[in-house]
Amino acid sequence: GQNIDQPTEMTATEGAIVQINCTYQTSGFNGLFWYQQHAGEAPTFLSYNVLDGLEEKGRFSSFLSRSKGYSYLLLKELQMKDSASYLCAPVGYQKVTFGIGTKLQVIP
Amino acid sequence: GAGVSQSPSNKVTEKGKDVELRCDPISGHTALYWYRQSLGQGLEFLIYFQGNSAPDKSGLPSDRFSAERTGGSVSTLTIQRTQQEDSAVYLCASRGGTSVGNEQFFGPGTRLTVL
Repeated sequence: GQNIDQPTEMTATEGAIVQINCTYQTSGFNGLFWYQQHAGEAPTFLSYNVLDGLEEKGRFSSFLSRSKGYSYLLLKELQMKDSASYLCAPVGYQKVTFGIGTKLQVIP
Repeated sequence: GAGVSQSPSNKVTEKGKDVELRCDPISGHTALYWYRQSLGQGLEFLIYFQGNSAPDKSGLPSDRFSAERTGGSVSTLTIQRTQQEDSAVYLCASRGGTSVGNEQFFGPGTRLTVL
C-alpha cells in the first residue's frame, strides 16, 4: 500500500530557504516525484528522484533516502510566485500516489 | 506540441443526471490517468489506462463511475446518477513511454458541480 506524510502548511519569507519534508511507505518503490500546484491550476512536474542523494535544478533541489523512506524538496531564494502546494508522489508498482500536499505561503 | 486538453472546463448538473467528461492526451502518450481533487484535498487516483485497456480501476469510488478509452487516445469518464459528493475537479494526465516513473502531464481539469 501507500502511506505519505508531509506537513499541511508552511510559511516562509521571500528570499529565504524552505525545506518541505515527506515520508512515505510504498510497496514496490520505484522513485519519487515532486509536483507544484498553484491554486486553481493543474499540477506541474518539478523533479523525479530514483536514486539516493540530492538532485539540484536551479532554485529547487530534491533529496531522496530510500532506506529511510524520506524525501525533501528544498526551495532557495524564495519568490512570491512560489506560493503553491507541493505534492510528494512516490512511485509504487504500476502506480504513482500523490500526497495531500504542503501548502506553502511566501510572505514579503 | 499541444498539451493535455479536457472538456468541458466547467460542468454544473443536477443531482441524478449523468455526466461525461472528456480527455485528449498528448499525441503518442500511451498511458492515461484520471484523478479527482475535492476542494483543499489531494489528488485521488481513479483509473489508469495503458493503451485502451485499464489494468487498474481500483480508484473508482462506485459502480456509478466508468471510463473508456478508444484508439489509444481520447478517454471519457462517465458518472451516472450524480450525487453532490461527486462535486470536485476531475484531472486527466498522460504519460509517454512505458515506465511508470516518466513524468505525467496534467490537463487543466473539469470542475464538476452537482446541485
